[in-house]
Amino acid sequence: DAGVIQSPRHEVTEMGQEVTLRCKPISGHNSLFWYRQTMMRGLELLIYFNNNVPIDDSGMPEDRFSAKMPNASFSTLKIQPSEPRDSAVYFCASSTGVSGANVLTFGAGSRLTVL
Amino acid sequence: AQSVTQLDSQVPVFEEAPVELRCNYSSSVSVYLFWYVQYPNQGLQLLLKYLSGSTLVKGINGFEAEFNKSQTSFHLRKPSVHISDTAEYFCAVSPRDDMRFGAGTRLTVKP
Repeated sequence: DAGVIQSPRHEVTEMGQEVTLRCKPISGHNSLFWYRQTMMRGLELLIYFNNNVPIDDSGMPEDRFSAKMPNASFSTLKIQPSEPRDSAVYFCASSTGVSGANVLTFGAGSRLTVL
Repeated sequence: AQSVTQLDSQVPVFEEAPVELRCNYSSSVSVYLFWYVQYPNQGLQLLLKYLSGSTLVKGINGFEAEFNKSQTSFHLRKPSVHISDTAEYFCAVSPRDDMRFGAGTRLTVKP
């Protein structure tokens, strides 16, 4: 298996532009998570899905952020409009089942820089 | 609600010395506990996990952790570190399927 695949790996954009980050989970995994990592706040859970349904989006910072999972093999995290404080590394992770015992497999991350 | 506190943000240590990275958690329910490692410019990888049973858990790369319920701790240890162990280490707690991470401890192994 190729693991969790994220794109783009790096994105530099200007304030006000729309940003779309993409994630392909491991085949057979039915839970998908989006995390944001910054120096100031560490690793924050933004949202997670189970069987393509959003379960908890309480970590999404504000309405500028949205996430979708239209099918079991694809998810997007969108920021519109983007702001400099959104600069961070965004990780997608997937796991099997809904038990807390399940291990997360992380992608390599998408490093976003908003100028 | 559950939370994770990693007591040291940075731990410098010399090669072949022992190391302990400290983690405390709080939760109103039973939890599963994990340690992940992040090498530069990579995603997180699982080191070890505690689900139930023996409180001493062994992981990859010679790491182990001990679950202490009375002290609500899950400290990570390695008897002899290598240069290649230089990385960021995250403790995590998972009562359900939403895993929460600590702030991380940067382990730097010096020659």
